[in-house]
Amino acid sequence: AQTVTQSQPEMSVQEAETVTLSCTYDTSESDYYLFWYKQPPSRQMILVIRQEAYKQQNATENRFSVNFQKAAKSFSLKISDSQLGDAAMYFCAYRSLETSGSRLTFGEGTQLTVNP
Amino acid sequence: NAGVTQTPKFQVLKTGQSMTLQCAQDMNHEYMSWYRQDPGMGLRLIHYSVGAGITDQGEVPNGYNVSRSTTEDFPLRLLSAAPSQTSVYFCASSSTQFNEKLFFGSGTQLSVL
Repeated sequence: AQTVTQSQPEMSVQEAETVTLSCTYDTSESDYYLFWYKQPPSRQMILVIRQEAYKQQNATENRFSVNFQKAAKSFSLKISDSQLGDAAMYFCAYRSLETSGSRLTFGEGTQLTVNP
Repeated sequence: NAGVTQTPKFQVLKTGQSMTLQCAQDMNHEYMSWYRQDPGMGLRLIHYSVGAGITDQGEVPNGYNVSRSTTEDFPLRLLSAAPSQTSVYFCASSSTQFNEKLFFGSGTQLSVL
């Protein structure tokens, strides 16, 4: 079974600065998806960015980018020019492409605070 | 387009009571699923369905029942609520089980006393 670990329960960043959230995972599979989800106080789960394991190029979405290290099984999220609206819980998630059910395996979450 | 709708948003139960959490989607998605979110544990899959009439267990299915009689609806039933089922419950859907993009509902906060 796959596991996802987020070793930083809490992080903080100054507005306009850059922060990196860490995520590691364990799998024996070669093809899969990785995701970062944002959960603001409204509780809504918002997809921030996704990475397909067979693609070597790191995914980017505006101010959000990832550092995907497949051999190291690492998938960190970098938020540039942090904004107050980025404050939320962030979850890293893994999706197998070799088992049915489209199930996601989530990490424990990192609570991000953005200081003005 | 309402997307994925969950009701109720909040619920308090007494131990032993039963209830059904409702989930409906209007996107004609084949795949629907239920997750629970507990502090420090992320979200964990309870049950899922790859189409009407087809359901299967996820990671933490004990204490929960599901059925899928229509494409639109995927209710989650607690037959005899326990304090360990206090959690936030999310319903999620995607067009098929092979589509990686999941659409989440806004969640149901359930407390069992």
